[in-house]
Amino acid sequence: GDSVTQMEGPVTLSEEAFLTINCTYTATGYPSLFWYVQYPGEGLQLLLKATKADDKGSNKGFEATYRKETTSFHLEKGSVQVSDSAVYFCALRQIQGAQKLVFGQGTRLTINP
Amino acid sequence: DTAVSQTPKYLVTQMGNDKSIKCEQNLGHDTMYWYKQDSKKFLKIMFSYNNKELIINETVPNRFSPKSPDKAHLNLHINSLELGDSAVYFCASSHRGGNTGELFFGEGSRLTVL
Repeated sequence: GDSVTQMEGPVTLSEEAFLTINCTYTATGYPSLFWYVQYPGEGLQLLLKATKADDKGSNKGFEATYRKETTSFHLEKGSVQVSDSAVYFCALRQIQGAQKLVFGQGTRLTINP
Repeated sequence: DTAVSQTPKYLVTQMGNDKSIKCEQNLGHDTMYWYKQDSKKFLKIMFSYNNKELIINETVPNRFSPKSPDKAHLNLHINSLELGDSAVYFCASSHRGGNTGELFFGEGSRLTVL
């Protein structure tokens, strides 16, 4: 079945460091891809998305590019802030059937001042 | 106004009890979901309803029974609670027919079974 694999956390960085969180997927066809973020004590919220190959999603300084050759959607940010501390989830939306959203296991990110 | 609201936020109960979690969305969406997040943050879909019709039913024990009285509400009832049911349960909603694929999540209901 369809699946999403993220790099294992936790990830701890200093403020202003460069961030990469890896995400690869296995799916039938070309699903839509998403990054969701979960801040402490809150539900998930959409961070960015890409719906077709080579699309780049971006929001709040975060970026991710849909790479069909490597079936990847890595999340990057050039300079992280303490407020970026959260759990990040990569996800795909199936293009057939129930079109459900399949999540990766989440990566906990902690940014130290 | 909260877009997707769940009650209660916290629930502590004994094994064997029956409990319910309620969810309401005021976004006008036609599809609602229940997700379970375990202690390691894994997020798994349990159920999905579209216009009160069950469309996704993952491999979930039949002790879990969702009910959707209308498209703005999706409740989750759990019978004979077990220790392994301890988790955070998230309700979410979306437009099924749209292409955005974006889900809007509630804040979660943390269930602790003792």
